[in-house]
Amino acid sequence: KAGVTQTPRYLIKTRGQQVTLSCSPISGHRSVSWYQQTPGQGLQFLFEYFSETQRNKGNFPGRFSGRQFSNSRSEMNVSTLELGDSALYLCASSSLSGDTQYFGPGTRLTVL
Amino acid sequence: DQQVKQNSPSLSVQEGRISILNCDYTNSMFDYFLWYKKYPAEGPTFLISISSIKDKNEDGRFTVFLNKSAKHLSLHIVPSQPGDSAVYFCAASAVGTASKLTFGTGTRLQVTL
Repeated sequence: KAGVTQTPRYLIKTRGQQVTLSCSPISGHRSVSWYQQTPGQGLQFLFEYFSETQRNKGNFPGRFSGRQFSNSRSEMNVSTLELGDSALYLCASSSLSGDTQYFGPGTRLTVL
Repeated sequence: DQQVKQNSPSLSVQEGRISILNCDYTNSMFDYFLWYKKYPAEGPTFLISISSIKDKNEDGRFTVFLNKSAKHLSLHIVPSQPGDSAVYFCAASAVGTASKLTFGTGTRLQVTL
């Protein structure tokens, strides 16, 4: 079974721009969660989508948003990028909300 | 407020010996705990988990122990192998928000020959 895939793997943007990251979960998995990893804050939960609905949300500003499609694929959007948004963005999927999460390789976002 | 803490940023162990990685938590609502291993430029890989109704769970070379009264868990790797060298994260989730994992800061394990 193929694992979680994330595209693109690397991205460079400038301040003020917006970015969209994509995540394809493991086949059959319906829950997708997003995390941000930075050297200063570690791994932090952004939000979770299950059956196209946001189920849980972390403590991030409204510039961070997401959505899930009917095939369980998910996208995450960050608007008005700031330098501090530079991070590794990880997507994780699980078969059901609350089950063990399996992570993708991440998207490395650099904001200049 | 760091609710999940891994106080040892690094650990070096000889091949064949036991590696013990520790994790402390403060939130009494946490009821499910996991360990992940992470290599550079890759996402975390799930290793083992434990529910708060248990105090031990084993899977091959990996054993996780949970001490609820002390709010402490540990991961034992026996025997340690060079391929185990990675950063290990403990994570926890709470009742009602099981999909929201709170991670520790990680412990870098180096297994030497």
